[in-house]
Amino acid sequence: DIVLTQAPLSVSVTPGESASISCRSSKSLLSSKGITSLYWYLQKPGKSPQLLIYRMSNLASGVPDRFSGSGSETDFTLKISKVETEDVGVYYCAQFLEYPYTFGAGTKLELK
Amino acid sequence: EVQLQESGPGLVKPSQSLSLTCSVTGYSITSNYWGWIRKFPGNKMEWMGYISYSGSTSYNPSLKSRISITRDTSKNQFFLQLNSVTTEDTATYYCARYGQGFDYWGQGVMVTVSS
Repeated sequence: DIVLTQAPLSVSVTPGESASISCRSSKSLLSSKGITSLYWYLQKPGKSPQLLIYRMSNLASGVPDRFSGSGSETDFTLKISKVETEDVGVYYCAQFLEYPYTFGAGTKLELK
Repeated sequence: EVQLQESGPGLVKPSQSLSLTCSVTGYSITSNYWGWIRKFPGNKMEWMGYISYSGSTSYNPSLKSRISITRDTSKNQFFLQLNSVTTEDTATYYCARYGQGFDYWGQGVMVTVSS
């Protein structure tokens, strides 16, 4: 199985500042079609997970452009610029390149 | 708007079967893929499997032969059955549509396995 390692597991951020979350894959997530199958989700308290970023760097519909995704074939970063109170929750990376699909362990973002 | 809603018992006894229904509105399940994902206490997320627009299925090997995902296209619903459950299957279960990744999710149903 592809293992996704997230870091840090928790982060505390002052509103208005930036935050970055790392996700490292045990295998390249670049497909033969040139698509990098790495996705980012946010699960806010008491809510279902919501898609933030698809295919490594594409912003999902309705997601503020404060969120951005970048990376290579195995190392990925989610950046949140100017963190707001509504950004609190657990962030997950996920790979949908090959079965079984897998998720990272999650990064809890809190406000200072 | 695409909406998904899980339903089913919140308590299941060990060794019995867990059965959940996902009702979909705003989109036909004869398009795309439709999956089940669970979140264990402590944040771990696990993809369980999905059923395609044509009715074919893919499952997480970790669930071996315990899992079955089926559908009723006339009701626009799909189903999860997990057999021989143990306390390790206690989790919140989500159904979701696979479009650009899993892009629409239900609100989740918490299932506790306990005698």
